[in-house]
Amino acid sequence: AQTVTQSQPEMSVQEAETVTLSCTYDTSESDYYLFWYKQPPSRQMILVIRQEAYKQQNATENRFSVNFQKAAKSFSLKISDSQLGDAAMYFCAYRRNTSGTYKYIFGTGTRLKVLA
Amino acid sequence: DADVTQTPRNRITKTGKRIMLECSQTKGHDRMYWYRQDPGLGLRLIYYSFDVKDINKGEISDGYSVSRQAQAKFSLSLESAIPNQTALYFCATSDPGRTYGYTFGSGTRLTVV
Repeated sequence: AQTVTQSQPEMSVQEAETVTLSCTYDTSESDYYLFWYKQPPSRQMILVIRQEAYKQQNATENRFSVNFQKAAKSFSLKISDSQLGDAAMYFCAYRRNTSGTYKYIFGTGTRLKVLA
Repeated sequence: DADVTQTPRNRITKTGKRIMLECSQTKGHDRMYWYRQDPGLGLRLIYYSFDVKDINKGEISDGYSVSRQAQAKFSLSLESAIPNQTALYFCATSDPGRTYGYTFGSGTRLTVV
């Protein structure tokens, strides 16, 4: 069975600095998707970035980028120039790329604090 | 209006009571899901539906039931609420033809006392 592990329950970063959130996963599949979701205090789950496993190039979205290491089954999120609005819970998620696939598997989350 | 709307936003109920959480969406997606979030456990799938006639159990369906009243509406019921069902509940939708991830509602915080 697939699993997603976020080993950092909480992280802190100084405003304007860079922080990296870790995520590892376990799967025997070769084709899948990986996601990072942000959950601010408003509770809304917001898609931050996604990565297709067949793509070697790391995904980027403005200040957010990932370091996708397929062989190591690692999918870390780097936030550059951290802002106070980045403070949130961050969830890593995995989904198989199979017809009819429905299930996303979520990690337990990392709470990010941004210090002014 | 939000793409996925959940009601109520917060609810306190007593043990043994029946309660329904509602979800409606304007995305036009066929696939809808109910997840439960607990601290330290992430999100876990309760039920999912691929269309009005296709409803499936997730990994933690015991104590819950669902109804897909229409493509746009998917409700979750707790027939007899118990305190360990206290959690944050999320409804989500997805488009099988795309890989943009889920669209989530804003959640219902349920407290069972």
